[in-house]
Amino acid sequence: GAVVSQHPSRVICKSGTSVKIECRSLDFQATTMFWYRQFPKQSLMLMATSNEGSKATYEQGVEKDKFLINHASLTLSTLTVTSAHPEDSSFYICSVRGVLEQPQHFGDGTRLSIL
Amino acid sequence: DAKTTQPTSMDCAEGRAANLPCNHSTISGNEYVYWYRQIHSQGPQYIIHGLKNNETNEMASLIITEDRKSSTLILPHATLRDTAVYYCIAPSGGYQKVTFGIGTKLQVIP
Repeated sequence: GAVVSQHPSRVICKSGTSVKIECRSLDFQATTMFWYRQFPKQSLMLMATSNEGSKATYEQGVEKDKFLINHASLTLSTLTVTSAHPEDSSFYICSVRGVLEQPQHFGDGTRLSIL
Repeated sequence: DAKTTQPTSMDCAEGRAANLPCNHSTISGNEYVYWYRQIHSQGPQYIIHGLKNNETNEMASLIITEDRKSSTLILPHATLRDTAVYYCIAPSGGYQKVTFGIGTKLQVIP
């Protein structure tokens, strides 16, 4: 069965809107959660890594004030795209992991389209 | 992450074994190698991982060279549903940062 639940699967909204994406770990305690985005015909780009109860670590070039990440519990992380613009349109994917050597498990992704 | 190198694309006939290579010559001694795949417009799917020994599960086999500088993912009997982009990952830095390369686009041909 699914290990990770990511919602919503698709969002279409107007420029300037803030969008929240949820990532839930269903079967185990996710010590670490990762957020990626993927543009068409490209690989996954790591945006940030978060450990439960700690501030997220953002990759270079990713604005932490624009992409707000909250990892308040071992089963839930949220990514909020604030004041979204058309260039933020992308496929956003979360993943969860337990202890360090365990593999990641990914959500089904959220396709965000900003008009 | 330890840098990984994979061929950009490969073709495989349906029913035949698909062998996908990966070079990870900078991998450290205690770092695992992970394989994932991504079918179009979906989130990546975990396939298999290993440290030193060869591994097998219901999806695939993983062969790791003795010097650990390369590995091969084997899909024993490829089906059309195995058409996907396959990523070889070798995390580093305490596993706190996991990045993806461009992967290998496997096309299974009828």
